Amino acid sequence: AQSVAQPEDQVNVAEGNPLTVKCTYSVSGNPYLFWYVQYPNRGLQFLLKYITGDNLVKGSYGFEAEFNKSQTSFHLKKPSALVSDSALYFCAVRDINNFNKFYFGSGTKLNVKP
Amino acid sequence: DGGITQSPKYLFRKEGQNVTLSCEQNLNHDAMYWYRQDPGQGLRLIYYSQIVNDFQKGDIAEGYSVSREKKESFPLTVTSAQKNPTAFYLCASSRPTSTDTQYFGPGTRLTVL
Repeated sequence: AQSVAQPEDQVNVAEGNPLTVKCTYSVSGNPYLFWYVQYPNRGLQFLLKYITGDNLVKGSYGFEAEFNKSQTSFHLKKPSALVSDSALYFCAVRDINNFNKFYFGSGTKLNVKP
Repeated sequence: DGGITQSPKYLFRKEGQNVTLSCEQNLNHDAMYWYRQDPGQGLRLIYYSQIVNDFQKGDIAEGYSVSREKKESFPLTVTSAQKNPTAFYLCASSRPTSTDTQYFGPGTRLTVL
């Protein structure tokens, strides 16, 4: 079975500091991994994805994610956090046995303080 | 503009009533999805549809029903059999290719009074 886990319910960081939001995955075969952001009472917005190739993936709004196969992780990162980055972040994996199914983590609330 | 629309944004329902949530997309995507979001639980799949006139149950289909008569539309009915329907409902769509993302609508917040 495919699954992702986000071990932190909440991450607090000061504006200007680097941020990391953690995600680990469990899949059979090669993982197709995604990060999304959700602002209050809104739908999810796609940030970036890892399919194959370079382990460091760059996405929208200055975010990037590092794929680590040995640690089965796909952590979301940003070198310098902004207050406007405060939101709910979801990691997801696409089911390689059924491409129409995605599995989402429970979400991590990012708080960036001025 | 291309995208997914959901209506209404807010919906209030009395216990025992069925309600239907609308989802429309003009992205020409084959697959469409309905998720339920509760605080601290992430997204849970209710139903999904890969093509017109076909749909499959997700992880929490009990108390819900869907139809897919047109490619662009995938309405969700929350029936009175759903014991705890108060939640935020998200519709999404995607292409059938393995590497593509899902695209989400803005959501409908359903409250049972």
